[in-house]
Amino acid sequence: RKEVEQDPGPFNVPEGATVAFNCTYSNSASQSFFWYRQDCRKEPKLLMSVYSSGNEDGRFTAQLNRASQYISLLIRDSKLSDSATYLCVVNNPGNQFYFGTGTSLTVIP
Amino acid sequence: GAVVSQHPSWVICKSGTSVKIECRSLDFQATTMFWYRQFPKQSLMLMATSNEGSKATYEQGVEKDKFLINHASLTLSTLTVTSAHPEDSSFYICSADRGNTEAFFGQGTRLTVV
Repeated sequence: RKEVEQDPGPFNVPEGATVAFNCTYSNSASQSFFWYRQDCRKEPKLLMSVYSSGNEDGRFTAQLNRASQYISLLIRDSKLSDSATYLCVVNNPGNQFYFGTGTSLTVIP
Repeated sequence: GAVVSQHPSWVICKSGTSVKIECRSLDFQATTMFWYRQFPKQSLMLMATSNEGSKATYEQGVEKDKFLINHASLTLSTLTVTSAHPEDSSFYICSADRGNTEAFFGQGTRLTVV
């Protein structure tokens, strides 16, 4: 079983739409959770960390459900510049980072 | 913020030759660095965990004799792809972290073996 399972996508949404990505992880001892953004042919960059209480950063909201081992990312009022691949990332004991397969988002004018 | 520098950013080599990729943490010490590989339209796959002063830990299915990792100092880890073949062509990325916080990534190395 994969460490991290993520919505396959792709998502093609119009500007201004709200889009949600989901992710599950298999190791109940996982310690930290993140969403990364990867633009084509570039390295992943941290979008936001995910906390148990949920956290929001502008148009982005991340949620963590430890009981269900489930992580989500919500993007409101999508912009063209949001087009990228979004990676769900889990940090396990031993400090190893495991990545989901990534979900491709294209925001259409 | 923290910066991880990876070099070279791209390399083309002949089949059978070896290629070394460097990963440096520029403003912090990294006892652990990670090496990933990403094939087109796929996600990052962890290859190995590089530990300063000790042997690297390889993920299942990754040949340790083919992908040699050396982490001789707290700021430098190297990955050497030995006897490279066309199927080794990929995007290789390193990362380092400061203890359970976000991972900082190098810019990646695009390797093409011809």
